[in-house]
Amino acid sequence: GDSVTQMEGPVTLSEEAFLTINCTYTATGYPSLFWYVQYPGEGLQLLLKATKADDKGSNKGFEATYRKETTSFHLEKGSVQVSDSAVYFCALGGSNYKLTFGKGTLLTVNP
Amino acid sequence: SQTIHQWPATLVQPVGSPLSLECTVEGTSNPNLYWYRQAAGRGLQLLFYSVGIGQISSEVPQNLSASRPQDRQFILSSKKLLLSDSGFYLCASGTTDSGNTIYFGEGSWLTVV
Repeated sequence: GDSVTQMEGPVTLSEEAFLTINCTYTATGYPSLFWYVQYPGEGLQLLLKATKADDKGSNKGFEATYRKETTSFHLEKGSVQVSDSAVYFCALGGSNYKLTFGKGTLLTVNP
Repeated sequence: SQTIHQWPATLVQPVGSPLSLECTVEGTSNPNLYWYRQAAGRGLQLLFYSVGIGQISSEVPQNLSASRPQDRQFILSSKKLLLSDSGFYLCASGTTDSGNTIYFGEGSWLTVV
């Protein structure tokens, strides 16, 4: 079945540092890939998505590229801010109307 | 995009009491609807999903049930709550023509005491 593996962290960075959160997947067919962000005490917000191989999703300075050859969708940001502190979820959307989520990565950015 | 309204935002219920969490969706029609639970820690567990009125699929056996009385309304219920039902419950909505993109409500914190 479909599965998503992401680095569990926690990840602690200083402001303006470079961020990478790794995400790899296993799926049949050609899934869509997503990154969601959850700020403390809130629901999940869609951060970015990619629907086919080599697509790059981007939003708020975050980027992720759909790499079919390595079955990966790593999240990157060149310069993190304190306000980026949150939990980040990688997810895969297959053909069955459901998303499969990774376990989440807690990011803390210190000033 | 869609807007998901979910309530109540917070509730504290005694063991053995009933539960009703309600979710409504705006900005789309015939959505796929979902209930997730997020227990202590961060993982998301899919509890129920629905592809249409009266169509409910359960992902895990548990003390909860779901109903979809209207196209954009999804209700999570329990007749008798257990301590283990405590958690953060999230309603979500998606459509297949949006590339399986799912949007989440703000969540409901349930504490069973």
